[in-house]
Amino acid sequence: AQKVTQAQTEISVVEKEDVTLDCVYETRDTTYYLFWYKQPPSGELVFLIRRNSFDEQNEISGRYSWNFQKSTSSFNFTITASQVVDSAVYFCALSEETSGSRLTFGEGTQLTVNP
Amino acid sequence: DADVTQTPRNRITKTGKRIMLECSQTKGHDRMYWYRQDPGLGLRLIYYSFDVKDINKGEISDGYSVSRQAQAKFSLSLESAIPNQTALYFCATSEGTGYLAEAFFGQGTRLTVV
Repeated sequence: AQKVTQAQTEISVVEKEDVTLDCVYETRDTTYYLFWYKQPPSGELVFLIRRNSFDEQNEISGRYSWNFQKSTSSFNFTITASQVVDSAVYFCALSEETSGSRLTFGEGTQLTVNP
Repeated sequence: DADVTQTPRNRITKTGKRIMLECSQTKGHDRMYWYRQDPGLGLRLIYYSFDVKDINKGEISDGYSVSRQAQAKFSLSLESAIPNQTALYFCATSEGTGYLAEAFFGQGTRLTVV
């Protein structure tokens, strides 16, 4: 069965520090998608990125970057030069080919960026 | 207006009461979902529907029921609410293209059962 683990429950950093959020997944499918969502204090879920299992290229979007490694079943998310506005809960999620578009979420990581 | 709208946004109800959470979407998507978020547990799937005539249980469907009234509407009911159903509930939609499809979430309904 599919599973997503975010072992870091809470992370606290000082503004301008770099921070990496870990995500480890389990799946028997060879075809799947991985996602990251951000949940700010207001509560809505904000889509950040989607990566398919055949594309292991790292991706950078501004201060955000993602490192996908199939060998370790990990899809880690790094925020460079963190800002107070990055404070949120971040979720990693998995969608398998055999489960259609149903998402399996990790537990979430609460990131607090202090000024 | 939001593409996926949930009503109400907040609700406090008493144990044993029946309550309905509503979701409507303007995305034109066939697939709709209800998830529940609890602290430390992430989001878990309650029910999902791939079209109006197709409704399926998710991993935590006990104590819940759903109704897909139309392509655009998907309601979640708690027949007899209990305190451990206190949670943040999300409705989501996606296109009918399988695992590739991005999910679009509503703004959430915060439900408290006292």
